[in-house]
Amino acid sequence: GAVVSQHPSRVICKSGTSVKIECRSLDFQATTMFWYRQFPKQSLMLMATSNEGSKATYEQGVEKDKFLINHASLTLSTLTVTSAHPEDSSFYICSAVRKSYGYTFGSGTRLTVV
Amino acid sequence: KQEVTQIPAALSVPEGENLVLNCSFTDSAIYNLQWFRQDPGKGLTSLLLIQSSQREQTSGRLNASLDKSSGRSTLYIAASQPGDSATYLCAVSGDSGYALNFGKGTSLLVTP
Repeated sequence: GAVVSQHPSRVICKSGTSVKIECRSLDFQATTMFWYRQFPKQSLMLMATSNEGSKATYEQGVEKDKFLINHASLTLSTLTVTSAHPEDSSFYICSAVRKSYGYTFGSGTRLTVV
Repeated sequence: KQEVTQIPAALSVPEGENLVLNCSFTDSAIYNLQWFRQDPGKGLTSLLLIQSSQREQTSGRLNASLDKSSGRSTLYIAASQPGDSATYLCAVSGDSGYALNFGKGTSLLVTP
């Protein structure tokens, strides 16, 4: 199979604090993972491409100092939202691709910044 | 830049009907196309993956077709059930290992 696990599923944090979201490929190695953000009733927008052992590639308009991505191993990528503000409240979801299985997504993280 | 459009944005049908969801993309140079289902507040469940060399894929009551030259794909759902109610997303990738470009989805409601 191709299973991606994402934690936490839901987090509420105070404005100004940082939140870390983990994305793990459970039964395969993922050299590349993707991080998306989804606002209510909108589609998924790619934030960045996470590459194992190298720096992430960010999409235009996404602040790399605010959304820190670390892909330290072939099965784990993390997204840290630093100094979170209410406008960062969103649904964050990660994805990995495995040949012949296509893209598999985590279950998503609902971030609420109060 | 690849643009993916899904029509209709929302659809309500009575149980038992067959239905078709449409997806179009502007750049026909795709690597593959994938249909997903998303339940409210949840992640994405992969339904069907079509490689660029394929014309259709089937899984149970679902059938997806791909016409790469015209930039179109359809998802056919047979004998719809209330449990099919969800948002259906179409996404394409430009090459192996590239990120997906998503449409905005079709919100489907199947009424008993």
